Amino acid sequence: RKEVEQDPGPFNVPEGATVAFNCTYSNSASQSFFWYRQDCRKEPKLLMSVYSSGNEDGRFTAQLNRASQYISLLIRDSKLSDSATYLCVVNKGWQGNLIFGKGTKLSVKP
Amino acid sequence: GAGVSQSPSNKVTEKGKDVELRCDPISGHTALYWYRQSLGQGLEFLIYFQGNSAPDKSGLPSDRFSAERTGGSVSTLTIQRTQQEDSAVYLCASSPAGTGYNQPQHFGDGTRLSIL
Repeated sequence: RKEVEQDPGPFNVPEGATVAFNCTYSNSASQSFFWYRQDCRKEPKLLMSVYSSGNEDGRFTAQLNRASQYISLLIRDSKLSDSATYLCVVNKGWQGNLIFGKGTKLSVKP
Repeated sequence: GAGVSQSPSNKVTEKGKDVELRCDPISGHTALYWYRQSLGQGLEFLIYFQGNSAPDKSGLPSDRFSAERTGGSVSTLTIQRTQQEDSAVYLCASSPAGTGYNQPQHFGDGTRLSIL
């Protein structure tokens, strides 16, 4: 099992759609979880941290299921500017390095 | 600015030459990370520093790659006898503390390395 696994996509959706990304991780000792976005030929940028209780930031909702070692990101009312690659990120156990998934590409069309 | 600074932003060199890439993390960040990303690929972890020590250097692809960090701040990544497969964007990131504290990493703009 890969350390962090994501559906590579691409996800092609119309503006206004709701889209969900899933991610699984293999290390049960992982403590920190994040979603990053990366625009073409740019550096990754933090989108949001993911907390055990789930958290929401505007149109974005992140969920964590520790028992299943599963993380999700929900984007509501998609905008053209949401087009990017979304990276699931997990730490490699306490004080371990962050492991980045290969990303899921999202393309929002008018 | 107050972000992670990397230099040079672009580097073109001939195969076999040595290159040195520099990363200046956000002031006060104790953790520093190097990654590389080939075109269309995901991030490949290279090495992680906590202060001046490197608890995880498992990602360095060969002994041609080395990195150091002095004074708990600036880090340099050195690639000796470069090969064409070393061509990639080299990204540096820093975080306030180790990743166990749920601290995200903040990335620099990267160094785009091209080996001719």
